[in-house]
Amino acid sequence: AQRVTQPEKLLSVFKGAPVELKCNYSYSGSPELFWYVQYSRQRLQLLLRHISRESIKGFTADLNKGETSFHLKKPFAQEEDSAMYYCALSGGSSASKIIFGSGTRLSIRP
Amino acid sequence: DSGVTQTPKHLITATGQRVTLRCSPRSGDLSVYWYQQSLDQGLQFLIHYYNGEERAKGNILERFSAQQFPDLHSELNLSSLELGDSALYFCASSGGPNVLTFGAGSRLTVL
Repeated sequence: AQRVTQPEKLLSVFKGAPVELKCNYSYSGSPELFWYVQYSRQRLQLLLRHISRESIKGFTADLNKGETSFHLKKPFAQEEDSAMYYCALSGGSSASKIIFGSGTRLSIRP
Repeated sequence: DSGVTQTPKHLITATGQRVTLRCSPRSGDLSVYWYQQSLDQGLQFLIHYYNGEERAKGNILERFSAQQFPDLHSELNLSSLELGDSALYFCASSGGPNVLTFGAGSRLTVL
């Protein structure tokens, strides 16, 4: 069964501090992992996907198949990073389900 | 606007009633996904349609049904509504592969 776990409901860090949003998954095959973000009064939108291996807005995420994790990291938090972050999993290119974790609210303190 | 359009934005109804939520996908996208977000819950996958055909079902109640029409818009029908069905219902479309574009959501309140 597919499952995505985000253990933190709320994460609060100071501006300039490092950020790590945790995501663990359960899937028997080769998953595709994503991070989506919802800023205040905006729609949920894709932040990054593991196969792209790119940094978006300073955020990176590495798929660790051994630990079944896909943690989102940023070395120096900015106030505009405050948002709701969701980790999502798809069971590969022909998958029909895309499931989401429960989300983590990131709050950046000035 | 070529994004995902959901109507209505807000809906208030009574228990036992039936409602229909509508979704128009982004231009060119063949896939439509429906999600339910209840208070303090994440996005619960309900159902996925691709070009008119059902592709996958999640934890969708039997009281709920959906369909995708030839023009690719989709409707989510919720019947015999209960208080616990109050939630935000999101539609998302995808042109592949697996990247979702979300609508603004339909907020359903059951009184």
